[in-house]
Amino acid sequence: QKEVEQDPGPLSVPEGAIVSLNCTYSNSAFQYFMWYRQYSRKGPELLMYTYSSGNKEDGRFTAQVDKSSKYISLFIRDSQPSDSATYLCAMTLSNFGNEKLTFGTGTRLTIIP
Amino acid sequence: DTAVSQTPKYLVTQMGNDKSIKCEQNLGHDTMYWYKQDSKKFLKIMFSYNNKELIINETVPNRFSPKSPDKAHLNLHINSLELGDSAVYFCASSPGPENLSYNEQFFGPGTRLTVL
Repeated sequence: QKEVEQDPGPLSVPEGAIVSLNCTYSNSAFQYFMWYRQYSRKGPELLMYTYSSGNKEDGRFTAQVDKSSKYISLFIRDSQPSDSATYLCAMTLSNFGNEKLTFGTGTRLTIIP
Repeated sequence: DTAVSQTPKYLVTQMGNDKSIKCEQNLGHDTMYWYKQDSKKFLKIMFSYNNKELIINETVPNRFSPKSPDKAHLNLHINSLELGDSAVYFCASSPGPENLSYNEQFFGPGTRLTVL
């Protein structure tokens, strides 16, 4: 069993829909949680970062963390075709500078115009 | 200006060959990483260097040898390539352990390695 599980999709939704992407993890020592977006043939880029349970909002994106359930989510409101990408959750044990990222398997998302 | 660059972008080679992938970052970061992404998009850490010193060495065959000539460069040399080495290899960098704010990792564009 992988440390971080993520529904691989693919997920296709119409433009304007609300998208929910989820990850579960087994190691309760994970403290910092990230969502990366990866466009086709590109490197991942950081989308959201959070370290406490609860919600963090940034524009159309909301990251949610529930440490008691070991569950994190990313919500995308008013989804756009430009949101079509693979979304990877990631987490670390600490914020120490050389900490490795442990990734989920990624969810491929397509927004249909 | 490209923050984290990798060369080559594509690499096609035969089994048994030795190849190298180069990575350079111009962000002034102290820490660099190599990740491997398989065909199912699973991204896994291989190595991490901080100021030319090896920090993380995950369970990677010793055919893979990272080399950091200076803190702006982290190269990956692979000996005796095998079919299972086919993947996309990503280099990344982050400010390093002395940076007190969140250490975002910046990824390069990837090197797509195909072993025939």
